[in-house]
Amino acid sequence: KNQVEQSPQSLIILEGKNCTLQCNYTVSPFSNLRWYKQDTGRGPVSLTIMTFSENTKSNGRYTATLDADTKQSSLHITASQLSDSASYICVVSATRNNDMRFGAGTRLTVKP
Amino acid sequence: GAVVSQHPSWVICKSGTSVKIECRSLDFQATTMFWYRQFPKQSLMLMATSNEGSKATYEQGVEKDKFLINHASLTLSTLTVTSAHPEDSSFYICRASRGYEQYFGPGTRLTVT
Repeated sequence: KNQVEQSPQSLIILEGKNCTLQCNYTVSPFSNLRWYKQDTGRGPVSLTIMTFSENTKSNGRYTATLDADTKQSSLHITASQLSDSASYICVVSATRNNDMRFGAGTRLTVKP
Repeated sequence: GAVVSQHPSWVICKSGTSVKIECRSLDFQATTMFWYRQFPKQSLMLMATSNEGSKATYEQGVEKDKFLINHASLTLSTLTVTSAHPEDSSFYICRASRGYEQYFGPGTRLTVT
């Protein structure tokens, strides 16, 4: 069983709308959680990084939350744009030594 | 943040030939490099981990004699796909790492005909 589960698997929204992507994990001991955006045919690009003590972090229209007690994270996208169409990947690290566990990603499609 | 480049960005080769993919960290000394393979609509699959100057550690199911990894310096790692077959066609991505810092390359699309 994957230690990082993301939902939904895919999502279609209209341009301008908001959406929230979910990530649940069982990775332990927890070091940090990262959200990446991956455009088709490109490498993942970091959106946010959160450690145990951080509950929320924003990067422009992207806001990530973390509840380390329930081992849940969310990525909220406001006022979506067509360019937000991509896969969003949740990655959880167990230690500082680069052991990163990947979620399967959420495929977001923003339609005009 | 640091920039990680991959070369080539895409390559087409004939079955049976070998292909080398380079991963360079341009302003960042990576103590560890990771290589991933990604098939369409799937997540990244870790192939191997390499530390500078050491032999790579391969994930279960990845043939080390087929996917040769060299991490000659803190800024360069190479992945050579030997005797490529059509099933090796995939998107290959490297990740440069130093402690807390992690940067992915832009990926290389390999098509084997």
